[in-house]
Amino acid sequence: AQTVTQSQPEMSVQEAETVTLSCTYDTSESNYYLFWYKQPPSRQMILVIRQEAYKQQNATENRFSVNFQKAAKSFSLKISDSQLGDTAMYFCAFMARITSGSRLTFGEGTQLTVNP
Amino acid sequence: DTEVTQTPKHLVMGMTNKKSLKCEQHMGHRAMYWYKQKAKKPPELMFVYSYEKLSINESVPSRFSPECPNSSLLNLHLHALQPEDSALYLCASSPRDRSSYNEQFFGPGTRLTVL
Repeated sequence: AQTVTQSQPEMSVQEAETVTLSCTYDTSESNYYLFWYKQPPSRQMILVIRQEAYKQQNATENRFSVNFQKAAKSFSLKISDSQLGDTAMYFCAFMARITSGSRLTFGEGTQLTVNP
Repeated sequence: DTEVTQTPKHLVMGMTNKKSLKCEQHMGHRAMYWYKQKAKKPPELMFVYSYEKLSINESVPSRFSPECPNSSLLNLHLHALQPEDSALYLCASSPRDRSSYNEQFFGPGTRLTVL
């Protein structure tokens, strides 16, 4: 079974600054995906960024980037130039490619508040 | 069309009522999911349909009954619910394609309140 741990229940950051959200996971799988989802107060779960385990290069999407350390089983999310609209609950999620079909395992989430 | 739609947005029902939640996607995805989410918690998987067949049932009480009439539609029939069933119910879909990430696309959810 897989587990995903987000050790920061809440974080805050000033607008325009950079913040890093932590995520660690535990698995015996060798082929898997990792995701960061964002859920603002509007409730819609939105995919922020994804990473395939076999790719060494860290994924980036505009202001969002990850630091993927496979050996350490760590997958942190960096948000640069934080904006008020980044205020949301952020969930880290794991999916094994083969053995679990498309089952997602979520962490407990980190509530991020961007302050003006 | 790259979205998953859910109706209704809000639903209030009594413990003796029967109601249904509806989910629709037109992305050609062949896997659809129901999740239950309590406040400030991650979504909990309830059911997975793959190619219109129920592939995962996470030991959900029988008062929740899923239905997948076709590849674009997913329903969740509710009957004799309890107040503790009040939650946000999320629907998602994914390609179910070996060549893709099988990334899940989520709908906006139905906020259910059971009185």
